Amino acid sequence: RKEVEQDPGPFNVPEGATVAFNCTYSNSASQSFFWYRQDCRKEPKLLMSVYSSGNEDGRFTAQLNRASQYISLLIRDSKLSDSATYLCVVDQTGANNLFFGTGTRLTVIP
Amino acid sequence: GAVVSQHPSWVICKSGTSVKIECRSLDFQATTMFWYRQFPKQSLMLMATSNEGSKATYEQGVEKDKFLINHASLTLSTLTVTSAHPEDSSFYICSARRGWGGNTIYFGEGSWLTVV
Repeated sequence: RKEVEQDPGPFNVPEGATVAFNCTYSNSASQSFFWYRQDCRKEPKLLMSVYSSGNEDGRFTAQLNRASQYISLLIRDSKLSDSATYLCVVDQTGANNLFFGTGTRLTVIP
Repeated sequence: GAVVSQHPSWVICKSGTSVKIECRSLDFQATTMFWYRQFPKQSLMLMATSNEGSKATYEQGVEKDKFLINHASLTLSTLTVTSAHPEDSSFYICSARRGWGGNTIYFGEGSWLTVV
């Protein structure tokens, strides 16, 4: 079983739409969770950390459900510039490295 | 600006030759750096964890004699792909944690390797 599982998509949505991505993780001892954004042929860049209480950054909202071991990312009012691959990332305590989901490809259509 | 710099960004080499990729933390000391490989339309796969002053820890299935990692200083780690073959063509990315026990990971810009 993979450490982090993510729906690869692709998700094609019109501008202004709301879109949600989910990801599940296998290790219940995982402590830190992140969403990264990766543009084509570029390195991943941190979009936001995911906190237990949930957190929001502008149009982006991240949620963590420890009981069900899943993380979500909600994007409201999608922009063309949101088109990218969104990577769910889990940091296991003591493992000193990150586990990446396969990424979900989002295309926002005019 | 970038806090982790990777060089070169693009490299084309002949089959059988070796290629060195450098990863530098620009304004912080990184006792641990990580090397990833990403094939087209796939996620990043951790290859090895590079520890300053000691041997790298390789993930299962990654040949340590083929992918030589040297972390000689707190700001520099290098990955050398030895006797490269076309199947080694990929996007190689390094990353580093900033701060002791910090959770922020910064990635280098990545290096595209094409072996012909």
